[in-house]
Amino acid sequence: DQQVKQNSPSLSVQEGRISILNCDYTNSMFDYFLWYKKYPAEGPTFLISISSIKDKNEDGRFTVFLNKSAKHLSLHIVPSQPGDSAVYFCAAGGGNAGNMLTFGGGTRLMVKP
Amino acid sequence: DAGVIQSPRHEVTEMGQEVTLRCKPISGHNSLFWYRQTMMRGLELLIYFNNNVPIDDSGMPEDRFSAKMPNASFSTLKIQPSEPRDSAVYFCASSLGGQAYGYTFGSGTRLTVV
Repeated sequence: DQQVKQNSPSLSVQEGRISILNCDYTNSMFDYFLWYKKYPAEGPTFLISISSIKDKNEDGRFTVFLNKSAKHLSLHIVPSQPGDSAVYFCAAGGGNAGNMLTFGGGTRLMVKP
Repeated sequence: DAGVIQSPRHEVTEMGQEVTLRCKPISGHNSLFWYRQTMMRGLELLIYFNNNVPIDDSGMPEDRFSAKMPNASFSTLKIQPSEPRDSAVYFCASSLGGQAYGYTFGSGTRLTVV
């Protein structure tokens, strides 16, 4: 049973446009959420996070939105750049999960010049 | 800090052989995680240590997999005997714990079992 799901395995966007990556979760005990970015042949790196007490967190071109009632979060990248092309994983933790993060399956973003 | 260090970066082995993957976490981090990345399952947690003690190994596929953390600066993941379906990228991550920090991942070990 996947507690964190990323239903789009891939997304293609034109440079300069907005990229929206989506993530759904089932465990209502999760109380913090993170996005990781992964380039080929490298480990995932932390990108941005949000606590369940917030519904939005912004860091430069990256904004994460959290809709607790829908158990849904999204990552917006504006404007998208070719260097953003990578696999993006959402992750959730907290509550009865303790220190453990549960990851989604990832979405491969391709930003075309 | 050099980050989380994994070795080897690549491992090709024959079915039935023993494979040992190694990880050195970031100094001072008290939690260590082993993950496996496959096309089908994405990033799946295999085992989690806190203060060198295994806390949750429910993700370990079967008895062929074992993990140890003899001290705060070293962990191993062993597969014996290895099978072709074990082929994947194995990541180690460490964390200081707490909600704000997330994990720092190593660069991974790409395992190919032929």
